[in-house]
Amino acid sequence: RKEVEQDPGPFNVPEGATVAFNCTYSNSASQSFFWYRQDCRKEPKLLMSVYSSGNEDGRFTAQLNRASQYISLLIRDSKLSDSATYLCVVLSGGGADGLTFGKGTHLIIQP
Amino acid sequence: DTAVSQTPKYLVTQMGNDKSIKCEQNLGHDTMYWYKQDSKKFLKIMFSYNNKELIINETVPNRFSPKSPDKAHLNLHINSLELGDSAVYFCASSQVAGEGYEQYFGPGTRLTVT
Repeated sequence: RKEVEQDPGPFNVPEGATVAFNCTYSNSASQSFFWYRQDCRKEPKLLMSVYSSGNEDGRFTAQLNRASQYISLLIRDSKLSDSATYLCVVLSGGGADGLTFGKGTHLIIQP
Repeated sequence: DTAVSQTPKYLVTQMGNDKSIKCEQNLGHDTMYWYKQDSKKFLKIMFSYNNKELIINETVPNRFSPKSPDKAHLNLHINSLELGDSAVYFCASSQVAGEGYEQYFGPGTRLTVT
């Protein structure tokens, strides 16, 4: 089983819609979770950390389900500028070598 | 001001050559990293380094070696380049403290080996 798994998509979503995608992780001892965003031919950038209680930042909501070992990202009222690849990142050990990136979910917002 | 910078942005070279990619961060971070993103867009950590410890991903060939002249720089040297080394290489840095694992990435170096 892969350490961090995401549906690669692409998810084609009309502008204004709500879209959600999940990321599963295999190490139950994983400590920290993040969503990064990567635009085409650009570097990844932190979108938001994922806290145990769930957290919201504007139109974005992140949830963590430790029992089922997945994190989710919900985007409300999607904008054309939300089109990007969303990378799930899991920290599973001490030090940066425990940081694992998922392969990303490609999101396309259509006008 | 650019937080994490890399040079060159594009690098085209022939098999067997030796090349270096430079990385600098002006964030005052303690830890720097090198990642490889292949044609399938899979981002994989190669090295992490702070002023005390180098952590190497064991899958990285020893043709790859990081060089850190100081805390703000982590250069990547590659010997005897192979076709499979073609990828985008990202440098990143973070201030490792508690949950402070936010990583700031450089713009990437697109390496093409012919």
